[in-house]
Amino acid sequence: AQKVTQAQTEISVVEKEDVTLDCVYETRDTTYYLFWYKQPPSGELVFLIRRNSFDEQNEISGRYSWNFQKSTSSFNFTITASQVVDSAVYFCALPHRDDKIIFGKGTRLHILP
Amino acid sequence: NAGVTQTPKFQVLKTGQSMTLQCAQDMNHEYMSWYRQDPGMGLRLIHYSVGAGITDQGEVPNGYNVSRSTTEDFPLRLLSAAPSQTSVYFCASSYSGRTGAAYGYTFGSGTRLTVV
Repeated sequence: AQKVTQAQTEISVVEKEDVTLDCVYETRDTTYYLFWYKQPPSGELVFLIRRNSFDEQNEISGRYSWNFQKSTSSFNFTITASQVVDSAVYFCALPHRDDKIIFGKGTRLHILP
Repeated sequence: NAGVTQTPKFQVLKTGQSMTLQCAQDMNHEYMSWYRQDPGMGLRLIHYSVGAGITDQGEVPNGYNVSRSTTEDFPLRLLSAAPSQTSVYFCASSYSGRTGAAYGYTFGSGTRLTVV
């Protein structure tokens, strides 16, 4: 069965601190993709990153970085030097071969000034 | 602008009323889907379609109907609204199958529905 677990329901950190959001997934597919989406207070879903299971290299985009570890079925997201604008709900997602996207329940991140 | 258009953005219904949430995309995507978002529950799949004339149930289909008569449109019908259907609804589209997973999904801006 496909499953995405985001164990952290809510996290609060002070601005400029680093923070890591955890994502653990289950899949029977041998190849697959993983996504992270951001949902700011305005409510829209913003695509952040897509990762192919073939590529286990970590990815960095500015203050954002992603650690994909196939051995532990994890795809964690780190924000370095957090800013108030990073406050949002973050979703990890796993597309299934029959076109369904399975979402985690999300982690609400509060960046305190 | 190209993308997924959802209407209306906000709606208040009385229990028992019916309505249709509209979703249209102009990217020629085969795949379209409806999700509902509730606090603490993430996004849950209601119905999806892999092409015109083809629909299937997701995780929480009860109380909702869909049809896909054209590639562009995928309306979601609430047959008899209940307070439990108070939620934010998102429509998404993509290319189908592995291509869709590879290229990602486009979401509409959401419809906030309140049933009183």
